[in-house]
Amino acid sequence: GNSVTQMEGPVTLSEEAFLTINCTYTATGYPSLFWYVQYPGEGLQLLLKATKADDKGSNKGFEATYRKETTSFHLEKGSVQVSDSAVYFCALSDPQETSGSRLTFGEGTQLTVNP
Amino acid sequence: DADVTQTPRNRITKTGKRIMLECSQTKGHDRMYWYRQDPGLGLRLIYYSFDVKDINKGEISDGYSVSRQAQAKFSLSLESAIPNQTALYFCATSDFRTGRAFFGQGTRLTVV
Repeated sequence: GNSVTQMEGPVTLSEEAFLTINCTYTATGYPSLFWYVQYPGEGLQLLLKATKADDKGSNKGFEATYRKETTSFHLEKGSVQVSDSAVYFCALSDPQETSGSRLTFGEGTQLTVNP
Repeated sequence: DADVTQTPRNRITKTGKRIMLECSQTKGHDRMYWYRQDPGLGLRLIYYSFDVKDINKGEISDGYSVSRQAQAKFSLSLESAIPNQTALYFCATSDFRTGRAFFGQGTRLTVV
């Protein structure tokens, strides 16, 4: 079946540090890939997505590139802020669902950014 | 107002009790989902519905049931709650055109 594996957390960084959160996946088809963010006390929000190989999703300074050859979708940000502190989830769509519904999630990575 | 609203936000119940979690949405989406979040396990799909007459089991449906009362409403029931159902529950909708999902703020359920 489909699966998503994220780097283990928690991750603690100082403000303006470089961030990488690793994500690899297993899927039988050609999934769409997503990063969702969960701020304290809130539900998940879409951060960025990529729908095919070599696509780069970007939003709010975060980027991730769909790498089919390494089945990866690592999240990066060049300079994190305290307000980026949250839990980040990598997810993939069900390849049988062309709309990208029925998401499979990774375990989530807690990021804390200190001033 | 939130696009996806869950009630209650927090609930403590006793083992063996029946409990219903409710979800309503104003996105106009046909597709709705219930997920469960446990620490270190990400989100796992309990049930999903692609329209009012369509209900499907997810990966962890045992011990749960759902009802899709209308396009905008999708409720999750625990017929006889047990302590290992203690978790954070999320309702979500999705846009079939883009695949983007919209989540409620979650219901924290504790079964004692």
